[in-house]
Amino acid sequence: AQTVTQSQPEMSVQEAETVTLSCTYDTSESDYYLFWYKQPPSRQMILVIRQEAYKQQNATENRFSVNFQKAAKSFSLKISDSQLGDAAMYFCAYRYYGGATNKLIFGTGTLLAVQP
Amino acid sequence: DAGVTQSPTHLIKTRGQQVTLRCSPKSGHDTVSWYQQALGQGPQFIFQYYEEEERQRGNFPDRFSGHQFPNYSSELNVNALLLGDSALYLCASSLTGGTGELFFGEGSRLTVL
Repeated sequence: AQTVTQSQPEMSVQEAETVTLSCTYDTSESDYYLFWYKQPPSRQMILVIRQEAYKQQNATENRFSVNFQKAAKSFSLKISDSQLGDAAMYFCAYRYYGGATNKLIFGTGTLLAVQP
Repeated sequence: DAGVTQSPTHLIKTRGQQVTLRCSPKSGHDTVSWYQQALGQGPQFIFQYYEEEERQRGNFPDRFSGHQFPNYSSELNVNALLLGDSALYLCASSLTGGTGELFFGEGSRLTVL
């Protein structure tokens, strides 16, 4: 069974600084997607960034980038130039590419605080 | 373009009661998934509906059931509520054949007393 592990329950960063959130996963599949979702106090889950496992190049979306290490089954999120609005719960998630559905498997989350 | 909408936003029930949660998918989406998010945890997949049929189910008892209507909206029903059913219930919609990206609603917060 696939699992996703986030070992940092809480993280803190100063405004304008850089922070990295960690995620590891376990799967026997070779084709899959990995995601980072942000859940602010409003509760709505928002997609931050996604990575296809077959792509060697790390995904980047503005201030957000990932370090995808397929052999190590590691998928970390780097937030550069942190802003107050980045404060939220961040979830790492996995989806098998060939499955019957687009079911996501989530980690337990990392609560990110941004200090002014 | 309306996103995913869920109702009610909050509700309180007592043990043994039944609850129905509702979800309208994002415009143009045909698939609806439901997730349960307990306090301090990540969301857990309950089931997914497509073409009014349950397509896949997570590890949840039969007390959890669902329905999808011809307009693609969906309901989640939970019978014989337990204290442990207290959670945020998230609905997510997507378009079959597209990128598969899920769009989430703001959830329904269920408290069971």
